Amino acid sequence: AAGVIQSPRHLIKEKRETATLKCYPIPRHDTVYWYQQGPGQDPQFLISFYEKMQSDKGSIPDRFSAQQFSDYHSELNMSSLELGDSALYFCASSPPQRGGYNEQFFGPGTRLTVL
Amino acid sequence: SQKIEQNSEALNIQEGKTATLTCNYTNYSPAYLQWYRQDPGRGPVFLLLIRENEKEKRKERLKVTFDTTLKQSLFHITASQPADSATYLCALRRGSQGNLIFGKGTKLSVKP
Repeated sequence: AAGVIQSPRHLIKEKRETATLKCYPIPRHDTVYWYQQGPGQDPQFLISFYEKMQSDKGSIPDRFSAQQFSDYHSELNMSSLELGDSALYFCASSPPQRGGYNEQFFGPGTRLTVL
Repeated sequence: SQKIEQNSEALNIQEGKTATLTCNYTNYSPAYLQWYRQDPGRGPVFLLLIRENEKEKRKERLKVTFDTTLKQSLFHITASQPADSATYLCALRRGSQGNLIFGKGTKLSVKP
């Protein structure tokens, strides 16, 4: 079965540089979520998109932005990178709501290291 | 705001025993609660979802209970195996769009 695809899997950047993370959700899933997971921490919600429109926003810094394209893939753009941005970034997708109860399918993550 | 507490950071048990993990939340009762498994460096994997009007849910060796009076969910793995060793995360829906708040997780180690 198709899974969520994320690229790149690993990314190393210098402080103040820019990074772009990509996510390809499972076909026919209509919602995409982005989470950030620091070392030893639980995943923290950043932002979500429903049918290509931003649907909710969590603890996403102003330096970060995201969008979902017509083919449903999503990109997380991170500028002016800081050391504290080093983390695993997960994308998740979920199928059309079934009575409002939905599990999320997570991708393998992108490990971002900021030097 | 809603907070989730998973009481044990780590749980060590012997193979074949039942592992019981606890998840407590502090605020309003959610419409549903989910459990995920996460292996090191990998994305969480959905295991079970239990709705507020369900007391118990089972899937193979897994069982989840949900007590809205106690504001608590228990996650059980029966006949545990070393392959069950992982971090288990409890999650609640944060907003109307379904994004999740996670607990800090319980790292389960099953010794042969």
